Amino acid sequence: AQSVTQPDIHITVSEGASLELRCNYSYGATPYLFWYVQSPGQGLQLLLKYFSGDTLVQGIKGFEAEFKRSQSSFNLRKPSVHWSDAAEYFCAVGESARQLTFGSGTQLTVLP
Amino acid sequence: GAGVSQSPSNKVTEKGKDVELRCDPISGHTALYWYRQSLGQGLEFLIYFQGNSAPDKSGLPSDRFSAERTGGSVSTLTIQRTQQEDSAVYLCASSFRLAGGPTYEQYFGPGTRLTVT
Repeated sequence: AQSVTQPDIHITVSEGASLELRCNYSYGATPYLFWYVQSPGQGLQLLLKYFSGDTLVQGIKGFEAEFKRSQSSFNLRKPSVHWSDAAEYFCAVGESARQLTFGSGTQLTVLP
Repeated sequence: GAGVSQSPSNKVTEKGKDVELRCDPISGHTALYWYRQSLGQGLEFLIYFQGNSAPDKSGLPSDRFSAERTGGSVSTLTIQRTQQEDSAVYLCASSFRLAGGPTYEQYFGPGTRLTVT
């Protein structure tokens, strides 16, 4: 069965600092990988996705993620965090025909 | 609107009552999903509809939970005899998927916050 691990429950960074959120997955084949962001009281918004091809994918709001098959990872990065990036971030893995499996999320706090 | 909508946005109910939660997916999306998000938790898959196929109900936690999708569009999630542990945010998502093809990204609604007192 597929699974997703986000080892960091809560991360705090200063505004302008770089950010990396970790995501590890367990899946037998090449997975479809996603990062979503959830602001308080909101639904989830897709940041970026990986289906195939170039392992470095660019998303919205200046985010990027790198798929590393050897490490079963899909970490999310941003070179300079803005206060508006404070939110909860979810990594998800899916196969072609079924639902997504989500990680438990990483709460990001941005200090002024 | 262009996005997924859910109603009501908030629902407070007494233990033992039945509740219905509604989801309007994005027009043209063939797949519809329900998830549950408990406080401080990730998303728990509940049920998945794809076109006219039989729904995947493998995530429903008990027989008190059911869902239907009428006309391939609007979906209703029903919880009978609600319990306090049912308190959570219920999220609906839709996506476009060709038969036998990959699942494209899911678009989420704002959710319904259910509180059982």
